[in-house]
Amino acid sequence: AQTVTQSQPEMSVQEAETVTLSCTYDTSENNYYLFWYKQPPSRQMILVIRQEAYKQQNATENRFSVNFQKAAKSFSLKISDSQLGDTAMYFCAFSLRGNEKLTFGTGTRLTIIP
Amino acid sequence: KAGVTQTPRYLIKTRGQQVTLSCSPISGHRSVSWYQQTPGQGLQFLFEYFSETQRNKGNFPGRFSGRQFSNSRSEMNVSTLELGDSALYLCASSLVQGQPQHFGDGTRLSIL
Repeated sequence: AQTVTQSQPEMSVQEAETVTLSCTYDTSENNYYLFWYKQPPSRQMILVIRQEAYKQQNATENRFSVNFQKAAKSFSLKISDSQLGDTAMYFCAFSLRGNEKLTFGTGTRLTIIP
Repeated sequence: KAGVTQTPRYLIKTRGQQVTLSCSPISGHRSVSWYQQTPGQGLQFLFEYFSETQRNKGNFPGRFSGRQFSNSRSEMNVSTLELGDSALYLCASSLVQGQPQHFGDGTRLSIL
């Protein structure tokens, strides 16, 4: 079975600063996907970024980037130039290639302070 | 393009009743997955449907069931409701396997 661990229940950072959220996972499989989802108070789960395990290059989406360390089974999210709208719960998630089931971590509550 | 639509947004039921939740995926998406979100257990996978067939199922009792129609719309049903079924139920759709899943706003179910 796959597991996803987020060890930071809460974080806060000043607006415009950079913050990194941690995620580790455990799997014996080689082909999989990793995701970061954001859930603001409005409760809709929004995809932030996606990484394919067979790609060595780290995924980037505007201010959001990941540090994917496959051997260490680590998948951290870096948010640059943080904005008030980034305040949300952030979930790290895993899925096997060929399987839609997402396994989520427990989440990190991120607060951006004005 | 309209997103994933879940109805109703809020629902209040009493123990022992049954409930049906609805999910309309993004147009063209054929895979629909359901998740339960609670403060204690976090986000847990319920099941996934593709082309009207259940492809994957999580570890939930048989009281939780679902189905998918030919237009890809999906419903999930919970029978004999228990207090512990109070949760946010999220639906997600994707175009094909491996593509990102897009979530709806969820249905907040409260059991009295």
